[in-house]
Amino acid sequence: DTGVSQNPRHKITKRGQNVTFRCDPISEHNRLYWYRQTLGQGPEFLTYFQNEAQLEKSRLLSDRFSAERPKGSFSTLEIQRTEQGDSAMYLCASSLKQGAYNEQFFGPGTRLTVL
Amino acid sequence: QKEVEQDPGPLSVPEGAIVSLNCTYSNSAFQYFMWYRQYSRKGPELLMYTYSSGNKEDGRFTAQVDKSSKYISLFIRDSQPSDSATYLCAMQGAQKLVFGQGTRLTINP
Repeated sequence: DTGVSQNPRHKITKRGQNVTFRCDPISEHNRLYWYRQTLGQGPEFLTYFQNEAQLEKSRLLSDRFSAERPKGSFSTLEIQRTEQGDSAMYLCASSLKQGAYNEQFFGPGTRLTVL
Repeated sequence: QKEVEQDPGPLSVPEGAIVSLNCTYSNSAFQYFMWYRQYSRKGPELLMYTYSSGNKEDGRFTAQVDKSSKYISLFIRDSQPSDSATYLCAMQGAQKLVFGQGTRLTINP
């Protein structure tokens, strides 16, 4: 399978715990994006990387959230001290920067439930 | 007010009907306009994208963009039960995508 993969697919945690998600982009894609999608809403942008550099972060990304892409390949998104409001689907997408438009390919998402 | 507004539906139509889905937006800087389809518990997949104003057709799907009205549409002809999904409009602002709320569509056999 050469698509975007995300692990785990589901995560249930208790409030206050830390969680980490992983995203493996399509090979050779230099851009990687994180989005969050709550029930009945469209995805909302969180952050994106070009290679290993984090170029933009949304105001939605509070201090409890941190994302990394250490070698310009896979990325991790960590949420510290989870809150019930963090319950959502976390989507990763990747693209290859070639021109003004770069199709973003989405992974299946990680569904987080905070109890 | 959200940058992109989309009627969440739900929308239910009989098989074979023509479906019309719409979005409005407020940011005149958007240049690329996309429609994604999302099945339950899956990530969004790109259906079509359009640059600036105009029409684009791909099989049973037609996308229209009217930048003067800040209005985009997706038409599905000869709708099939397999088209049942949530349809998301999205617009490219700089590098990130800005999505509408999504319209949940059901095609009844």
